Order: sequence, then structure tokens, then C-alpha cells
Amino acid sequence: EAQVTQNPRYLITVTGKKLTVTCSQNMNHEYMSWYRQDPGLGLRQIYYSMNVEVTDKGDVPEGYKVSRKEKRNFPLILESPSPNQTSLYFCASSISTANQPQHFGDGTRLSIL
Amino acid sequence: QKEVEQNSGPLSVPEGAIASLNCTYSDRGSQSFFWYRQYSGKSPELIMFIYSNGDKEDGRFTAQLNKASQYVSLLIRDSQPSDSATYLCVPGGANNLFFGTGTRLTVIP
Repeated sequence: EAQVTQNPRYLITVTGKKLTVTCSQNMNHEYMSWYRQDPGLGLRQIYYSMNVEVTDKGDVPEGYKVSRKEKRNFPLILESPSPNQTSLYFCASSISTANQPQHFGDGTRLSIL
Repeated sequence: QKEVEQNSGPLSVPEGAIASLNCTYSDRGSQSFFWYRQYSGKSPELIMFIYSNGDKEDGRFTAQLNKASQYVSLLIRDSQPSDSATYLCVPGGANNLFFGTGTRLTVIP
């Protein structure tokens, strides 16, 4: 089954404790991206990747890191999480660019205390 | 950045009616548009996409694009309570995407 898989689905942690949210797709997609969604603000793009080893900042990259060492994986790293990063996070992928249908993961709900 | 304007709603329609969701955009270079549906707490799912001027139909859904007026719409015929969700009009882009907050639709049984 074609899918985008995020882990974990839920996480409660404390300020400053490094965490990684994994994202994996099995569709051989080149384009992958991360979004956060907060009430009243819609989906905002954090980072995107056009291909392996190619990443770029989205609209709200501060406090986040990403890597794209393999085509299928695009982890989101919070080196020193803070409470303002409490949010619902989505990973998405598409065949090659942002100008194609995006396939979303089920989301990761992060709470930073 | 490519952005759009959508009425945030809520838009309420009775069951069986036609729901009309509208979107205007400012970037004349926008060539394609995607409509996503998002239920509360769930991930967005693609409903339709449209690249050309005119109408595109898929089941109960019709997407309309008017590049001269910079206007995109999504019509949902025979609206069902299960159509109650937030609908996001998203212009396609080479690199990044703007999703916005969308229009919340409520279909009243």
C-alpha cells in the first residue's frame, strides 16, 4: 500500500530534550516536506526537500532541522524543543515537485512541556 | 509566495444542496490549483486538482478555474453530512506550498 508513515503519532516531552520525528514514504517520491498546524494558522511549511541531499527552508524553519540521506526518509529534528513547538505535524510527499498532489502522513501530535 | 484568499466560514448548507467554495489568488503566474479536504485532527486529503481554465468534474465534485478573474471554486453537489470538513485551496508551486486556513463547511442533516 502506498503510504507516508510518521512516527511517533503522539509524543509528550520536556523542554530541551532532543527529539526526532521520522517520516518514510514507499512511493519513490522525490519531493518531501514538513508542515506544522496550529489552531487558526493553517498548515505552515517548515522544510522541504526536492531530492536526496537537497533541502530548503519553508516559512517557519526556526528551531528545526531536517536531513535527506535517503530518498524514502525525511526526519524532522528538534534539537532543543520549546513549548512554542507544541503542534500537530504533518509530513507529505509528491512525485517530483510541489506542483503535484501531496500525499500526507497521519500526523504527529507533539506536546512540549 | 503564492497565496490565496478563502472565506473562512463556516459555510452551512442543508443536506442535498450544492456547496460552493470559492478562492481568489493574486499571483497571475499560478498555473494549477489543488483542493484538499481536512477533517478536524486528520491529515489533508486531495479532492481534485485543476490546471486548465474551465470546469473539471469528478463524481459529486466540480472544480472551476478562471485565470482571467484569478478565481477558483469547488462545487459539491448533493452535499452529505460526511462532507463537513475544512476545504483548502492550494496553488501549485515549484518548491513550497501555501495552504492557508481554508473554508470550514458544515452540511446540516
